[in-house]
Amino acid sequence: SQKIEQNSEALNIQEGKTATLTCNYTNYSPAYLQWYRQDPGRGPVFLLLIRENEKEKRKERLKVTFDTTLKQSLFHITASQPADSATYLCALDSSGTYKYIFGTGTRLKVLA
Amino acid sequence: NAGVTQTPKFQVLKTGQSMTLQCAQDMNHEYMSWYRQDPGMGLRLIHYSVGAGITDQGEVPNGYNVSRSTTEDFPLRLLSAAPSQTSVYFCASSYSDRSTDTQYFGPGTRLTVL
Repeated sequence: SQKIEQNSEALNIQEGKTATLTCNYTNYSPAYLQWYRQDPGRGPVFLLLIRENEKEKRKERLKVTFDTTLKQSLFHITASQPADSATYLCALDSSGTYKYIFGTGTRLKVLA
Repeated sequence: NAGVTQTPKFQVLKTGQSMTLQCAQDMNHEYMSWYRQDPGMGLRLIHYSVGAGITDQGEVPNGYNVSRSTTEDFPLRLLSAAPSQTSVYFCASSYSDRSTDTQYFGPGTRLTVL
């Protein structure tokens, strides 16, 4: 069956360290993968998109990698800050359609 | 721009009642969609629309109806509410059908069905 897995356990890291979040998928062949941030009680906010032919994408302190062989995306936040504390969702397109499938998200807490 | 707006923010229904969740966007986006978010389940697509007059089913459409008479509005109707429909509902919009486009999400409606 098709599945997207994100670490359901919360990730706690110290301020200034690099946070790495994982998104694994099975039985999909996505052309695109997106990462969103969601704060409690609010809707998701788009952060980054990476295409299947791109290995890495960067935006300020954020970096995303996409390994279609491993069927995995890694999301990195460098020099993390308490304000980065939130839930991070990955989403991939289902068979090149508009229908995006979301993971359950990983909650990140950056400790001051 | 107000972006994507949703009303109401909170709603409590009794089993069997009907209601409409409102969604509007002022960005002239063609694509709009409805998701529900449940603990441990992630966001699941209910219905989506590629433009005025065109709608299609998502992953979990049963118990919900939609229509798209204008570009701006995309209401979600619960015909006969059930406790299984207790969830947080998000509306989203984007410019086109390209998977490269960002989805803009509304603030959500928290629905409880007793």
